[in-house]
Amino acid sequence: GAVVSQHPSRVICKSGTSVKIECRSLDFQATTMFWYRQFPKKSLMLMATSNEGSKATYEQGVEKDKFLINHASLTLSTLTVTSAHPEDSSFYICSARGTSGKGSTDTQYFGPGTRLTVL
Amino acid sequence: GEDVEQSLFLSVREGDSSVINCTYTDSSSTYLYWYKQEPGAGLQLLTYIFSNMDMKQDQRLTVLLNKKDKHLSLRIADTQTGDSAIYFCAERLGDYKLSFGAGTTVTVRA
Repeated sequence: GAVVSQHPSRVICKSGTSVKIECRSLDFQATTMFWYRQFPKKSLMLMATSNEGSKATYEQGVEKDKFLINHASLTLSTLTVTSAHPEDSSFYICSARGTSGKGSTDTQYFGPGTRLTVL
Repeated sequence: GEDVEQSLFLSVREGDSSVINCTYTDSSSTYLYWYKQEPGAGLQLLTYIFSNMDMKQDQRLTVLLNKKDKHLSLRIADTQTGDSAIYFCAERLGDYKLSFGAGTTVTVRA
């Protein structure tokens, strides 16, 4: 099936620093990628929809200046958490919707997630 | 609260069948999904069903959809210890967004 990777899998940073998380579709092209945040024992909260070559669409309540999203190619989207604070600590998961090849246009394939801890 | 609702916990004996239930609210949803999440990992797509189908079977997994009642279920036959995980039900909204339930934690006991 379609494979989505995330890097890094785990990151610890100091308060005030910025952290970049990468999401890659390895064997299919993804015109649309999604970024989610998951709190412990909670469901996934959609943060934003990332479209290749255009600005991301953020969900209500998500600060676009704090969570910068770039979708520069059909296989890569990045999420940068700027000026991170302890309350940004969470599990961030990306997903990708395929356009051709092994990825189905009707299904989101998820990355393994990135655990962010802000000290 | 979520538009997709699931029971939070299910405990099942190894070898028995597990049934996880889900209700959703958007009658225009075209696809409904079941994802599995193991500890510390992302979501693995288990199966999905198109809204004009009533049932879909894939090896040990059976999905039943009652569109009238907006009710979806996932049955896992011959449940194994490796099936212990959190299972998320999701409905596909417009713009290919997914709305997730809170997840059902399935514990398989020997």
